[in-house]
Amino acid sequence: AQSVTQLDSHVSVSEGTPVLLRCNYSSSYSPSLFWYVQHPNKGLQLLLKYTSAATLVKGINGFEAEFKKSETSFHLTKPSAHMSDAAEYFCVVSALSGGYNKLIFGAGTRLAVHP
Amino acid sequence: DVKVTQSSRYLVKRTGEKVFLECVQDMDHENMFWYRQDPGLGLRLIYFSYDVKMKEKGDIPEGYSVSREKKERFSLILESASTNQTSMYLCASSFKAGGLYSNQPQHFGDGTRLSIL
Repeated sequence: AQSVTQLDSHVSVSEGTPVLLRCNYSSSYSPSLFWYVQHPNKGLQLLLKYTSAATLVKGINGFEAEFKKSETSFHLTKPSAHMSDAAEYFCVVSALSGGYNKLIFGAGTRLAVHP
Repeated sequence: DVKVTQSSRYLVKRTGEKVFLECVQDMDHENMFWYRQDPGLGLRLIYFSYDVKMKEKGDIPEGYSVSREKKERFSLILESASTNQTSMYLCASSFKAGGLYSNQPQHFGDGTRLSIL
């Protein structure tokens, strides 16, 4: 069965320092993986997606993620945090279930950015 | 840009009421989804639809039903609301690529925060 685990429920960084949000997945076949961001009182916005092309995926707002099959990881990074990056981030795997592809969400990582 | 619109941002209802949550998308997407979001649990799929008048149960369908009479509109119905259905409800839509199998990203509305008293 497919699953995704976000290793940190909360991450706190200072503005201008790097961001690392960790995600491990479990999939019995080559997965499609996504990162979404949710700002307070808003819906989820797609940051980036991996679909078996390049292992390093670039997304919006300076975020990128690297697919590492040997480690079953898909960690999200950004070189320099901005105050506007404070939000909740979800790692998501696309899974076959009953003949359809559905999205399976991690529990989320809340990112706090301090001045 | 894709626009997924949920009819209410905040809703307060009483136990036992029948509650309707409406969602409309403007991108001609085949797929539509309803999720609920609770702290520490992430998003859980309630129901989804891959075509007009077609519906499939997700992971937590109990106490809910759905209706998809038109391609752009997907309604979630709480048949008899209970306090444990107090939650944030998110609607999403996506294209269907490659027939039934799709890894298209889903596009989300801003959510409806529902309180059942």
